[in-house]
Amino acid sequence: ETGVTQTPRHLVMGMTNKKSLKCEQHLGHNAMYWYKQSAKKPLELMFVYNFKEQTENNSVPSRFSPECPNSSHLFLHLHTLQPEDSALYLCASSQEGLAGANEQFFGPGTRLTVL
Amino acid sequence: TQLLEQSPQFLSIQEGENLTVYCNSSSVFSSLQWYRQEPGEGPVLLVTVVTGGEVKKLKRLTFQFGDARKDSSLHITAAQPGDTGLYLCAGARGAQKLVFGQGTRLTINP
Repeated sequence: ETGVTQTPRHLVMGMTNKKSLKCEQHLGHNAMYWYKQSAKKPLELMFVYNFKEQTENNSVPSRFSPECPNSSHLFLHLHTLQPEDSALYLCASSQEGLAGANEQFFGPGTRLTVL
Repeated sequence: TQLLEQSPQFLSIQEGENLTVYCNSSSVFSSLQWYRQEPGEGPVLLVTVVTGGEVKKLKRLTFQFGDARKDSSLHITAAQPGDTGLYLCAGARGAQKLVFGQGTRLTINP
């Protein structure tokens, strides 16, 4: 595997279900991110992890719970979601500390539908 | 309040035509990135511009960062169907935070 991988690619869940999204980066990066992409809205940053420590939580509802067990893996645990949470959830990674910009590498996303 | 405004939001043109899309802000960014996203995939980084006034070329794509580092443009020469996609600009603010525009959805018709 190369780059950033995400599983599952598609997920349909009811509002009472509990599910998890998984992200793995094979780039040796030290920072990982969760974004939400909804139709007609810009990409929204949800969480940032740097060296496994959460450095940003962008006012995300508690029904979304991130977990970063190591610098290569990132999870997003979902419970009691609402239909408006249906979106494409993108994971990204970057190498922080290098000179230059904060270039992020994205996974293919998980298309989530909440019924 | 939308920090980064992209225009147009939708653009559909014929193969072979030229086009320019814009990314504007009232805020200054330390750098600005352009991504292209195809259906069912995540965004892929095309270029990063850092210096005010900087111009970068990627084959038929020309990227420019405004002198004041508040805006950017992407010009495509002789567009091809393979250029179809969602083009996103993103401004860097601080060490790890990117602010994205809402995107320009480009369709090149054969």
